[in-house]
Amino acid sequence: AQKITQTQPGMFVQEKEAVTLDCTYDTSDPSYGLFWYKQPSSGEMIFLIYQGSYDQQNATEGRYSLNFQKARKSANLVISASQLGDSAMYFCAMRDLISGYSTLTFGKGTMLLVSP
Amino acid sequence: GAGVSQTPSNKVTEKGKYVELRCDPISGHTALYWYRQSLGQGPEFLIYFQGTGAADDSGLPNDRFFAVRPEGSVSTLKIQRTERGDSAVYLCASSFGQSPNNEQFFGPGTRLTVL
Repeated sequence: AQKITQTQPGMFVQEKEAVTLDCTYDTSDPSYGLFWYKQPSSGEMIFLIYQGSYDQQNATEGRYSLNFQKARKSANLVISASQLGDSAMYFCAMRDLISGYSTLTFGKGTMLLVSP
Repeated sequence: GAGVSQTPSNKVTEKGKYVELRCDPISGHTALYWYRQSLGQGPEFLIYFQGTGAADDSGLPNDRFFAVRPEGSVSTLKIQRTERGDSAVYLCASSFGQSPNNEQFFGPGTRLTVL
């Protein structure tokens, strides 16, 4: 069963605008962690932001924030003031006890293109 | 400090050959992970090491795949009798621990092409 769903294969945004990348997840484990990674064309996975299932507040890291809606099992990434360098693939991922805390389960990703 | 390094960056081989992919994790990281990323997909878990032992190898697709980490640092992913379907980017990651919030740091990957 698919555990991480990213429904947007591609997104376009103009420079300096905000964009939301969607992510929904499925787990019956009450303890889990949600991650967003950026993968530019170079191929390396770059960690952006983390949200724990018990965190009371939405995570923020600079221009990145995570819109965590636990009841809806969604963890959308919001990028404010988009920059040309934000163009990349973005992956949502989860770690939970059912999968084993050792592993990350990734979605299929969303390709973000930022235009001038 | 140095990040996770992987060699080679690219590997082209013929069907049926044996290949080895190397991963050098961040110094001090006890946990090491191998993932495989096929075109248009997210990375898929292969195997996880805690120290020298494989703590979870449930993601290895079949017995042609094997990985070792003899001294708890560098790891080698070994693929025997390669098939065209093995073509993918093989990513290695390491982390300091294995609790849910431990960030995994990824290497640049090895792009394997099986002709």
